[in-house]
Amino acid sequence: DARVTQTPRHKVTEMGQEVTMRCQPILGHNTVFWYRQTMMQGLELLAYFRNRAPLDDSGMPKDRFSAEMPDATLATLKIQPSEPRDSAVYFCASARDLYSGNTIYFGEGSWLTVV
Amino acid sequence: EDQVTQSPEALRLQEGESSSLNCSYTVSGLRGLFWYRQDPGKGPEFLFTLYSAGEEKEKERLKATLTKKESFLHITAPKPEDSATYLCAVQGSGSGNTGKLIFGQGTTLQVKP
Repeated sequence: DARVTQTPRHKVTEMGQEVTMRCQPILGHNTVFWYRQTMMQGLELLAYFRNRAPLDDSGMPKDRFSAEMPDATLATLKIQPSEPRDSAVYFCASARDLYSGNTIYFGEGSWLTVV
Repeated sequence: EDQVTQSPEALRLQEGESSSLNCSYTVSGLRGLFWYRQDPGKGPEFLFTLYSAGEEKEKERLKATLTKKESFLHITAPKPEDSATYLCAVQGSGSGNTGKLIFGQGTTLQVKP
């Protein structure tokens, strides 16, 4: 079964530390999303890429968050410096081609706790 | 602005008691409406995509329907294993829309034996 792979699955870090989350999209998928999920806000779109180019990162706090796709098999989401309010589950998702209405598949998430 | 509202927030059913979940949406040009299921500690799992009003899709005890303003997820004779949070999302195709998925807050379903 092809699946989106995320690492780490769980991370506890201290406020002020840098956090990097990684995602391997499904092979052949050209669109990659980063979502954040909290009880209060639900699923919020942070950023997404098509063919490795950023399409929309308006949902991402620019001062501390950054998202990149160094190559087609790796997407990263970095928080520097981290704050307690960043505690959430971060999901990566991928689709074969966004504009063709293809199914978007989610990873299992990275559970981040900032203390 | 594209928006999705799901109701109810939570639903408790007895096993075998059929019901429906609602997803109301506003979007400038609907490219697709998606239903996902999410179990605790897991990522959302794809269920259905609906593209146009009048369309229906079925999978086991679930049936999704779509109108111009809302979608329903009908659950027939549910079982305890259907307990999960059900998420609705829309993808717009209007001018300036970059195709992103906008999610509702979800409906948490609990089915008791």
